[in-house]
Amino acid sequence: GAGVSQSPSNKVTEKGKDVELRCDPISGHTALYWYRQSLGQGLEFLIYFQGNSAPDKSGLPSDRFSAERTGGSVSTLTIQRTQQEDSAVYLCASSYWGIGVDEQFFGPGTRLTVL
Amino acid sequence: KQEVTQIPAALSVPEGENLVLNCSFTDSAIYNLQWFRQDPGKGLTSLLLIQSSQREQTSGRLNASLDKSSGRSTLYIAASQPGDSATYLCAVKWGAQKLVFGQGTRLTINP
Repeated sequence: GAGVSQSPSNKVTEKGKDVELRCDPISGHTALYWYRQSLGQGLEFLIYFQGNSAPDKSGLPSDRFSAERTGGSVSTLTIQRTQQEDSAVYLCASSYWGIGVDEQFFGPGTRLTVL
Repeated sequence: KQEVTQIPAALSVPEGENLVLNCSFTDSAIYNLQWFRQDPGKGLTSLLLIQSSQREQTSGRLNASLDKSSGRSTLYIAASQPGDSATYLCAVKWGAQKLVFGQGTRLTINP
């Protein structure tokens, strides 16, 4: 079946602009995660959605970052007033959360470059 | 603080050798541990998932072991091939749902 998909694959924007990154999880997966991979910081957690529960936003680096998940499926990560330090690869993952069954599967990522 | 460490950062071996990649973590009360590979410019491919109650998992030429008491996991690759060249990442899940990643080991298999 189809894996996790993300769009766009690459995004170049100017400092101060807003960007939206999209993630389509694997069908039937109840949990969705956003991570960020940058040269200096490695892979770091941003936000987690599980079913209808309130999302875990503990990894969001500032209030310029927000995310939503509509209909328990597609998710959008929004970065407002982008800064150069936001340049990174943004990775989305999904899993079918259950006891002993929560392997995370990752999408190909969106490479964001802020000029 | 819950941290994951992978040493070495880079490893280069000739084709055909068996090799071991190391991962250590600071808190033994893990929920599970996952090994991934990442090819340049690509996303992460899940290789093996070990639950906290398990000691090892195998998939083809790959074998991952887990020793919670010592805070260590190893990924064993048998009969290495040039196609195994990639960055290997170890990630640990503790109580929260997020994965905490190590910095990765960049593996090069020389023909």
